[in-house]
Amino acid sequence: QVQLQESGPGLVKPSQTLSLSCTVSGGSITSSGYYWSWIRQHPGKGLEWIGYIHSIGTTYYNPSLRSRVSISVDTSKNQFSLKMTSVTAADTAVYYCARDLREQRLDSWGQGRLVTVSS
Amino acid sequence: DIQMTQSPSSLSASVGDRVTITCLASQDISVCLNWYQQKPGKAPKLLIYDVSTLQTGVPSRFSGSGSGTDFTLTIDSLQPEDIATYYCQQYDNLPPTFGGGTKVEIK
Repeated sequence: QVQLQESGPGLVKPSQTLSLSCTVSGGSITSSGYYWSWIRQHPGKGLEWIGYIHSIGTTYYNPSLRSRVSISVDTSKNQFSLKMTSVTAADTAVYYCARDLREQRLDSWGQGRLVTVSS
Repeated sequence: DIQMTQSPSSLSASVGDRVTITCLASQDISVCLNWYQQKPGKAPKLLIYDVSTLQTGVPSRFSGSGSGTDFTLTIDSLQPEDIATYYCQQYDNLPPTFGGGTKVEIK
């Protein structure tokens, strides 16, 4: 059974870059048909899809965040990563990584990483 | 982006009650609709995909229906462990978008 685990700083200063990684275990990140996604949830709010990457490097980003977001993959580490630049307090959220089957459903999720943007 | 509107935003029901949550899409999404369950302090979990297919391990008291723009999640005989917030999500168009959530509580 595949498991995902987010890691990275829980506190980021305004205007700096948020960086998170997601390590995949129990399965290969190069498995056919899967995309690897980031989703965030502002405190007490709903879910916002950030973007995904395929193991061959294909990406798609939410247009609302596209100018500040990049997702990369490291197949040798079975890991994918999120970078978000120029963060503000509005980027404070729990960030989840998840596996997306065929761009249709998020069938496995990490436990989430709370990232607070504050000086 | 396709807007997903859930109702109600919260509900309180008794154990054993039948609970119905609705999700309305801003445009026709065919059957490209999933439901997720999020328990307090936990990550969301896929509950139902493609409108009505239960994810492995999900109890049969959960069911989904609908097509086009109107969708429904039903819990037959609400159990204490069903206390959670439920989200619908469309994948017909990128970016995938979620409803605002329905918080289910026990009366």
